[in-house]
Amino acid sequence: EVQLVESGGGLVQPGRSLKLSCAASGFTFSNYYMAWVRQAPKKGLEWVATISTSGSRTYYPDSVKGRFTISRDNAKSSLYLQMNSLKSEDTATYYCARQVFDYWGQGVMVTVSS
Amino acid sequence: DVVMTQTPPSLSVAIGQSVSISCKSSQSLVYSDGKTYLHWLLQSPGRSPKRLIYQVSNLGSGVPDRFSGTGSQKDFTLKISRVEAEDLGVYYCAQTTHFPYTFGAGTKLELK
Repeated sequence: EVQLVESGGGLVQPGRSLKLSCAASGFTFSNYYMAWVRQAPKKGLEWVATISTSGSRTYYPDSVKGRFTISRDNAKSSLYLQMNSLKSEDTATYYCARQVFDYWGQGVMVTVSS
Repeated sequence: DVVMTQTPPSLSVAIGQSVSISCKSSQSLVYSDGKTYLHWLLQSPGRSPKRLIYQVSNLGSGVPDRFSGTGSQKDFTLKISRVEAEDLGVYYCAQTTHFPYTFGAGTKLELK
């Protein structure tokens, strides 16, 4: 059974950093591009980042480019999202998903507030 | 960026009724490999999104055949035949043809 389990969320002050993790199981992690998608409270879905199977290629929307870094450790079947210079508008539930959006984690809440 | 316009924003339906949701993109979603990376997702209340349809018309694993997707280029439709209570929630279209990937604003399906 495919499982994606996010962790690392919480309350953080504006300008600070936070790192999210996603533990994958039930499939060959190294064979799949992976992504992060977020959802602000009562809002729609926003794609945040994608990483290639080897980790050599990463993609971001302008809203997070230069502040967020997606990475992976295939040996540990884990996906990460390093978030720096956080803003209030980054407040959202962050989902880890397989690139084809066929499996999603349960989500982890990140609140950016002073 | 590709803008995904979903209509209607909400639908009120009776169990057993059939409904359609439209999704229009601001540019063609045909990728250089000839495939169209337009997908439909359902987010049930309090749950993570679930993929229903991928590449316009392919049913996701375990998804009932009451769901169907059609369309091409810039104009796509999700049809739900014989709505059941478990179908309620917010439906999103999503494109992964062009970076940045983008989603429609969602269509909320509610019980009449």
